[in-house]
Amino acid sequence: DAKTTQPTSMDCAEGRAANLPCNHSTISGNEYVYWYRQIHSQGPQYIIHGLKNNETNEMASLIITEDRKSSTLILPHATLRDTAVYYCIAVSQGAQKLVFGQGTRLTINP
Amino acid sequence: EAQVTQNPRYLITVTGKKLTVTCSQNMNHEYMSWYRQDPGLGLRQIYYSMNVEVTDKGDVPEGYKVSRKEKRNFPLILESPSPNQTSLYFCASSMGLLPYEQYFGPGTRLTVT
Repeated sequence: DAKTTQPTSMDCAEGRAANLPCNHSTISGNEYVYWYRQIHSQGPQYIIHGLKNNETNEMASLIITEDRKSSTLILPHATLRDTAVYYCIAVSQGAQKLVFGQGTRLTINP
Repeated sequence: EAQVTQNPRYLITVTGKKLTVTCSQNMNHEYMSWYRQDPGLGLRQIYYSMNVEVTDKGDVPEGYKVSRKEKRNFPLILESPSPNQTSLYFCASSMGLLPYEQYFGPGTRLTVT
């Protein structure tokens, strides 16, 4: 699975859009981009995933560049409860595990 | 409500005393997995199971055993716990091999003294 690179930490004001970047320059054609988050020491929570096209669900939007070398997770109206560590993971179909990196620690400020 | 449950949530034990951490899911998922999380090392997979009676080692299986006799349950067994197994443990389940989303349990914080 391709390695992903994320900023160590980010801040965002409550009510604003939080844009979390992820670089995955070595991603292959059959690798999906997954986003999970972990609030404090709770179990990781799935957010969204995509392969080539941009995706949106009730939690977030995922924008993947045309060359697939990077992506951005967008939380449209961040709340204090969105404070968490966000993990961007490249996963090939048939993979047997998720490999979590260090993620981005997102802090939402009032 | 779809969920993965783990018990106990917190456990303090002594070296060498066998223990079992239970994991159960109510979503009829075939794939289940155990991870441990340690500061600076992230989440690492211990064991996984693709279906009943089918289990395989992850990245850090030493010192652990698992079994999958029923689809819903995937217990983690520490036959002789040691202090280096002090960690936060998560069970996860999904419909099958990725790229399905994985559902994680709330975690079990284990301390071995």
